[in-house]
Amino acid sequence: GAGVSQTPSNKVTEKGKYVELRCDPISGHTALYWYRQSLGQGPEFLIYFQGTGAADDSGLPNDRFFAVRPEGSVSTLKIQRTERGDSAVYLCASSLTPLAVNEQFFGPGTRLTVL
Amino acid sequence: GQQLNQSPQSMFIQEGEDVSMNCTSSSIFNTWLWYKQDPGEGPVLLIALYKAGELTSNGRLTAQFGITRKDSFLNISASIPSDVGIYFCAGSSGVGATNKLIFGTGTLLAVQP
Repeated sequence: GAGVSQTPSNKVTEKGKYVELRCDPISGHTALYWYRQSLGQGPEFLIYFQGTGAADDSGLPNDRFFAVRPEGSVSTLKIQRTERGDSAVYLCASSLTPLAVNEQFFGPGTRLTVL
Repeated sequence: GQQLNQSPQSMFIQEGEDVSMNCTSSSIFNTWLWYKQDPGEGPVLLIALYKAGELTSNGRLTAQFGITRKDSFLNISASIPSDVGIYFCAGSSGVGATNKLIFGTGTLLAVQP
């Protein structure tokens, strides 16, 4: 399909482990966003990429969270030493340009469960 | 993180009824958006608003950008069972080039056939 895809759809891990979550944006979209959605809440901004660079990482909760987008397309969100409080759905969105605020298309998310 | 105040938290209505929900913010936004999220899916954009006072429709949906730029309303007329889902408002201040979205807490809508 032509939409934003995220893998895996579900990830169960143990406290203290390292996880990687992948996002494949819509082809040609230069802007990529990561959001985190806890149960019963709306999505919360984590980090924004314009091309390969992280232009705004003000939403990352602490230094255990890191994201990369080395070739300006696929992005990986990395979480070190996972904690139970990290359990949430991690959503990725992309837009053609950062100015296209009305055109952030969301993927289905990765549901992360930390036991 | 920051979340917008959205009400009501949930609504249980009969098919055919009209629905209203609203969203308020302590800060000003340049853009207001309304999304619908189904289980296991990401949010899907319903309506985007760009100017204070703007009233925009999309089929049975109508949304307004509050004149103070700190609130927005969404109305759904003649609800049908497929309207079931969680509705989120979102605002963007457009500061810098980020255009990150600040979301509301969501309104769960249940429609009884």
